[in-house]
This record gives sequence, C-alpha cells and structure tokens, in this order.
Amino acid sequence: GAGVSQTPSNKVTEKGKYVELRCDPISGHTALYWYRQSLGQGPEFLIYFQGTGAADDSGLPNDRFFAVRPEGSVSTLKIQRTERGDSAVYLCASGASSGEQYFGPGTRLTVT
Amino acid sequence: DQQVKQNSPSLSVQEGRISILNCDYTNSMFDYFLWYKKYPAEGPTFLISISSIKDKNEDGRFTVFLNKSAKHLSLHIVPSQPGDSAVYFCAASALASGTYKYIFGTGTRLKVLA
Repeated sequence: GAGVSQTPSNKVTEKGKYVELRCDPISGHTALYWYRQSLGQGPEFLIYFQGTGAADDSGLPNDRFFAVRPEGSVSTLKIQRTERGDSAVYLCASGASSGEQYFGPGTRLTVT
Repeated sequence: DQQVKQNSPSLSVQEGRISILNCDYTNSMFDYFLWYKKYPAEGPTFLISISSIKDKNEDGRFTVFLNKSAKHLSLHIVPSQPGDSAVYFCAASALASGTYKYIFGTGTRLKVLA
C-alpha cells in the first residue's frame, strides 16, 4: 500500500534503555509529524518536519527525545534513558501542502 | 489549558439516524480544522477538513459545520452506520501563522446501534 508505515508495531523495553521508532511517510509528502497518544487522550504533538529540517519541535517533552529526517523521507524518533512515563502509542503522520495529515498505525511503546 | 475540547466522551445513535459530534476551541488563531476516525489498534483515519473561510464542507455522508463566532465545529454523519462506531477526534491548526502543528481534542466514542 501507499500509506504511512511505522516500525516496529510494538516495542517493549526496560527503563533506562534507548529506543528508536521508524516512520516511512507517503511518497512525495514533504511534511512529517510525530505525535504521542496516551490512553483516553487525543494525539499530542511532538515534532514537525518540513523536508529535512525540524520546523517545530516545541512538543518534545525533554532532551531525552530527538528526531531526525536526514533525507527528507524516512524519520526516526529516538528516546534515550526511557522512563515508564514514556509508555504510549507513538504516531507518525505525513502531509502535503493542503494541511491534511495521514497517520500510520503507530508504535506501541511499553517501558517496564 | 486545553485549546480544543470535545466535551462528550461518548455518544450512542441508532443506525440510520444522524450522529452529531461537537468540538469547541479557544484559540481564535485557529483557521484549519480536521476530523479523524480511530478504530482500536489503528492510527487515526482522516475524514474531512474545513478552512475558516468556509462554514460548511460536505463529503458523502459526512458534513462539517464551522461557527467561527462561537468557536465551535460539528461533524454530522447521515445516515449513521454500524461501521461508523469508532472514536472521533477533531484537530485544529493556525496555518496562516505558518505552522502545521495540530492540537487534538480528547475524542468522542461513537456507538451506532443496529
């Protein structure tokens, strides 16, 4: 299919470990977003890329979180020294100039 | 401070009837709004959008109404079908300010009864 894909679909890690979550956007979409969703809440904005650069990273909760998009396509969200409070579904979305965003299926992160 | 609010956590509607999902916002800079549907264990699915230059947008069974003075939008689904049962999120952004950052509401769970 031509939709947004995310890997892995599930990730269980121990507190203190490092994790990487990957997002493959829809081909041709220049905008890419990362969100985090906790139970009973709506998606919470983390970071937005336009091309290779992070145009808005105001939603990253602290400096343990970092994201890259080196070639303007695939993006990786990196979390260092994971904490139990980081457990959530991490959603990636890509968009075109219209402003609409199309989401991937998400990665469920569980920190034990 | 929650800038986008969906005050009804759940809604039940009979099949064939109209479903009306509501969303309120506080930031007058918001000028573009999206509605999403989400099934369990899946990512949100885009449904319909509306720009602040319009007060209505229609796509098949889905119509979104925007009342800028009241800072309120609503999603109408007519006729409702059992497959519409899902959690619905509204989202808002201030595109004219050059940002594509979206603020989401907490969602409304719609149940369509057969």
